[in-house]
Amino acid sequence: DTEVTQTPKHLVMGMTNKKSLKCEQHMGHRAMYWYKQKAKKPPELMFVYSYEKLSINESVPSRFSPECPNSSLLNLHLHALQPEDSALYLCASSSRRSGVGETQYFGPGTRLLVL
Amino acid sequence: KQEVTQIPAALSVPEGENLVLNCSFTDSAIYNLQWFRQDPGKGLTSLLLIQSSQREQTSGRLNASLDKSSGRSTLYIAASQPGDSATYLCAVIGIQGAQKLVFGQGTRLTINP
Repeated sequence: DTEVTQTPKHLVMGMTNKKSLKCEQHMGHRAMYWYKQKAKKPPELMFVYSYEKLSINESVPSRFSPECPNSSLLNLHLHALQPEDSALYLCASSSRRSGVGETQYFGPGTRLLVL
Repeated sequence: KQEVTQIPAALSVPEGENLVLNCSFTDSAIYNLQWFRQDPGKGLTSLLLIQSSQREQTSGRLNASLDKSSGRSTLYIAASQPGDSATYLCAVIGIQGAQKLVFGQGTRLTINP
């Protein structure tokens, strides 16, 4: 099973709302990633967790707060977002933090619209 | 800083043709290169992973080559089908720095029946 699941599929939120995105994998992977993708652009890395510890934060604004409660689950908590944060948010995982021979498996994404 | 370029940005061909998508990268110090497919509004599907020590990888009608010294990779699609229509992205992981995937802008492929 090479599946990464993400919920919800779609999310509409106001600028004062608090919401969370969820990502789950049961492949035993120990590295998990959040990416942001704007229309007609490639994904941009936001965060990397390796063995449940945050290892990379690509200077993401604090209104995005990641959390890795266990090795299978990755959350992205959203608060006070701006309309320009509207995008497809993709989660990915790999058996360990990407290096030699590591394939990243992506989920289907959450389409976020901030009004 | 690693930069990845994909040419062409868009390609439209009739069904049945063989085609080549190109990817170039500026820093040859990479761990591996990965080709992905993305359907509109969907996540990425990994197609092929080529490690830095490899020259090519094959999966079905797809063949990816890697020339690390010249900073180039190609994705060859044989006997194209309408279902191959999607955006194809290549990405590299560099040895230096944060070891993160650096993506090209993608090639939007349309196969006409």
